[in-house]
Amino acid sequence: QVQLVQSGAEVKKPGASVKVSCQASGYFFTNYDIHWVRQATGQGLEWMGWMNPTSGNTGYAQKFQGRVSFTRDTSIRTAYMELSSLRSDDTAVYYCARGFTLVRGVNDYWGQGTLVTVSS
Amino acid sequence: DIQMTQSPSSVSASVGDRVTITCRASQGISSWLAWYQQKPGKAPKLLIYTASSLQSGVPSRFSGSGSGTDFTLTISSLQPEDFATYYCQQTNNFPPTFGQGTKVDIK
Repeated sequence: QVQLVQSGAEVKKPGASVKVSCQASGYFFTNYDIHWVRQATGQGLEWMGWMNPTSGNTGYAQKFQGRVSFTRDTSIRTAYMELSSLRSDDTAVYYCARGFTLVRGVNDYWGQGTLVTVSS
Repeated sequence: DIQMTQSPSSVSASVGDRVTITCRASQGISSWLAWYQQKPGKAPKLLIYTASSLQSGVPSRFSGSGSGTDFTLTISSLQPEDFATYYCQQTNNFPPTFGQGTKVDIK
């Protein structure tokens, strides 16, 4: 079955960087885009961007341009999201999600989420 | 960015009730609208895409309709496992954007 398994919770200080991993199984990793979406506690969903695991091409929401980077290691079917210059308002659960082949931008399978806490 | 506005923000309902949630886009998005269900502490789950197409494995009591700027999600007969927060998402324009969510709780 399709699974996306994310790395564990992180606590970071303001100004630091965080790197979250997302390991895929149950499907051909390079056949589907990976998206990243975040959710602050008690808040709604915020789309951050996407990556094509085959080409490495990426697209980022303007809000995160210059501060976020998506990479992948196809040999271990893993995608990564790195967010730098962390601020307190970056405290959120970060999800990776598989791109739905029928509709661009929609996500059919999601990771369990990774809580990133930014605190001094 | 396209703004998505859901109403109501929350609704209290009983098992067996018919529940309708609306989502309005700040500009036309054709039928490029998806609905997700999220339970506390869990990731969102895709319910409906292209406004009215039911994702595989989703019960038929869920249905969606609309096009342009106005959309609805209907749960025909609310079940205990349906108490959750529901989000709409537009994918017509980059970046995809979500509504603020509608919480369905027990009356």
